[in-house]
Amino acid sequence: NAGVTQTPKFRILKIGQSMTLQCTQDMNHNYMYWYRQDPGMGLKLIYYSVGAGITDKGEVPNGYNVSRSTTEDFPLRLELAAPSQTSVYFCASSTRGQGAGSPLHFGNGTRLTVT
Amino acid sequence: AQSVAQPEDQVNVAEGNPLTVKCTYSVSGNPYLFWYVQYPNRGLQFLLKYITGDNLVKGSYGFEAEFNKSQTSFHLKKPSALVSDSALYFCAVRDSALIFGKGTTLSVSS
Repeated sequence: NAGVTQTPKFRILKIGQSMTLQCTQDMNHNYMYWYRQDPGMGLKLIYYSVGAGITDKGEVPNGYNVSRSTTEDFPLRLELAAPSQTSVYFCASSTRGQGAGSPLHFGNGTRLTVT
Repeated sequence: AQSVAQPEDQVNVAEGNPLTVKCTYSVSGNPYLFWYVQYPNRGLQFLLKYITGDNLVKGSYGFEAEFNKSQTSFHLKKPSALVSDSALYFCAVRDSALIFGKGTTLSVSS
């Protein structure tokens, strides 16, 4: 049971490039989330999904897109990378939504630098 | 809007001493509160949660947290700190997803 797996671990992008951060989970969780972590700022929610085919914006969605075609996968797309998107990105999943108090299971993160 | 605040950026304690990491919250309705820990270059790990019931919640690795409604606090505690407890600790509150505090770095010295 691998849990939540994120790839790549590290990436350097030039301004204006695009990339997809991959996230997959093998726990059959319906709920998945993308957070970004900036030093001293905690974690900010980018997008979340309550099941295959359903996504919704979080607190900081601008500059990002997501899709959820399967229960297992929840990729995050950066279309035109900007220096402000330099951050550590975490994917997480849970069995039920936060209304039920389900703990989040996190991946180990992707460290992205945009120069 | 739901929010949590962690008033201390860093907490330093000596090994064997009790530790407290502070968290206060602001919510409408009943709060669902969480503590997570992050070790270097890793994702966050769930420690414990409060939803309802006993105000003292016990969690992983000997940690516990006390929910105090009158003070709107949910402080994380451990009776005897270990060097291996050194990490970044996050308090969080339920919304459509979790809302995290800015984190508190705990440093336990030997």
